Amino acid sequence: QKEVEQNSGPLSVPEGAIASLNCTYSDRVSQSFFWYRQYSGKSPELIMSIYSNGDKEDGRFTAQLNKASQYVSLLIRDSQPSDSATYLCAVKSGSARQLTFGSGTQLTVLP
Amino acid sequence: DTGVSQDPRHKITKRGQNVTFRCDPISEHNRLYWYRQTLGQGPEFLTYFQNEAQLEKSRLLSDRFSAERPKGSFSTLEIQRTEQGDSAMYLCASSPRWEARGVNYEQYFGPGTRLTVT
Repeated sequence: QKEVEQNSGPLSVPEGAIASLNCTYSDRVSQSFFWYRQYSGKSPELIMSIYSNGDKEDGRFTAQLNKASQYVSLLIRDSQPSDSATYLCAVKSGSARQLTFGSGTQLTVLP
Repeated sequence: DTGVSQDPRHKITKRGQNVTFRCDPISEHNRLYWYRQTLGQGPEFLTYFQNEAQLEKSRLLSDRFSAERPKGSFSTLEIQRTEQGDSAMYLCASSPRWEARGVNYEQYFGPGTRLTVT
């Protein structure tokens, strides 16, 4: 079982819709969670971090964390074609300094 | 804040050659990480520095790989006797010191060095 799992997609949504991206993790002592956006051929760009259960909103992005269910999600409201990218979920577990990444979900926003 | 920079951006080399990559972190960040990413996968951790000390190394980091951060600023990653399986994007990331009222583990990536071994 992979430590961080994401649906690889592709996920397609129409412009203006809400895109929902999901991630599960296996290590119960994980404490820090991150969403990165990666355009094709580019490096990952940090868009959200979340450390506590509940929702965290930043503009059109909302991260949701449920540690009991070991689940973290990212909602993108009013999706735009420029949001088309691969979204990577990353987790920091226990005393480790590094992040463990999922394989990413490819999102396409259709005009 | 100029961001994390990496050099070169692209490297093509022949199997068996040695290559070296450089990373310059964000200036006030004392923590530096190297990751490797292949097509369709997320980045995989290679090694971590806090200031000049290399504190963690992944099992992925074979004896052919070595990393340094001699003065706690820029870092280099060297691959000796490259193999075709080393072809990947090599990513460097940095993160700031602990904050006084909490923990900040956000990592910011550079543009990466794409290595192709022929």
